[in-house]
Amino acid sequence: GAVVSQHPSRVICKSGTSVKIECRSLDFQATTMFWYRQFPKQSLMLMATSNEGSKATYEQGVEKDKFLINHASLTLSTLTVTSAHPEDSSFYICSAKRTGTDTQYFGPGTRLTVL
Amino acid sequence: AQKVTQAQTEISVVEKEDVTLDCVYETRDTTYYLFWYKQPPSGELVFLIRRNSFDEQNEISGRYSWNFQKSTSSFNFTITASQVVDSAVYFCALSETMNSGYSTLTFGKGTMLLVSP
Repeated sequence: GAVVSQHPSRVICKSGTSVKIECRSLDFQATTMFWYRQFPKQSLMLMATSNEGSKATYEQGVEKDKFLINHASLTLSTLTVTSAHPEDSSFYICSAKRTGTDTQYFGPGTRLTVL
Repeated sequence: AQKVTQAQTEISVVEKEDVTLDCVYETRDTTYYLFWYKQPPSGELVFLIRRNSFDEQNEISGRYSWNFQKSTSSFNFTITASQVVDSAVYFCALSETMNSGYSTLTFGKGTMLLVSP
């Protein structure tokens, strides 16, 4: 159990376009999901905490208007990178916390390349 | 603020050697959780273990073992008889309860383990 999926796994887009990434908990309900960003050979940087039915909590320095997060159900959270630029190119990873526990289970990640 | 330090950025061993990955943490929370995750080249983080701050018992799972020493704020991870498939980046992480009541993870910078045949 505790499987988290992400879609797409890889996306290439032109500068100025918007990209939506989906994160799903497949076999459990997740009240809270998290979005991270990881640059090559670096650690994970928390971008925001997404709670089902409420607004996401963004970390300092993360633009909420650029990285739109929606957590519409207990199994789905989406991250939309709006007006993407080359500097937004990165590996985006989501995680989901099973309701009632403190363990985060991670998705396989989405590699975004903005040309 | 919480902090997790993984001083070893990269470790290279030969298959069948034992290897220990170090993790030192700082927190003012009295109740916290410590985690280890494995990130193979594919990128997905694989959950390995969660340890409650009140449980200092060492744990063994197959070739993996963990040593939690609250007195030195360390949570070290040992792989016995390493295998090539163990090659990955290993992250130590600490949970932090925010003022909002939600908890988030603080990650160390990771240790890249290279196991050669």
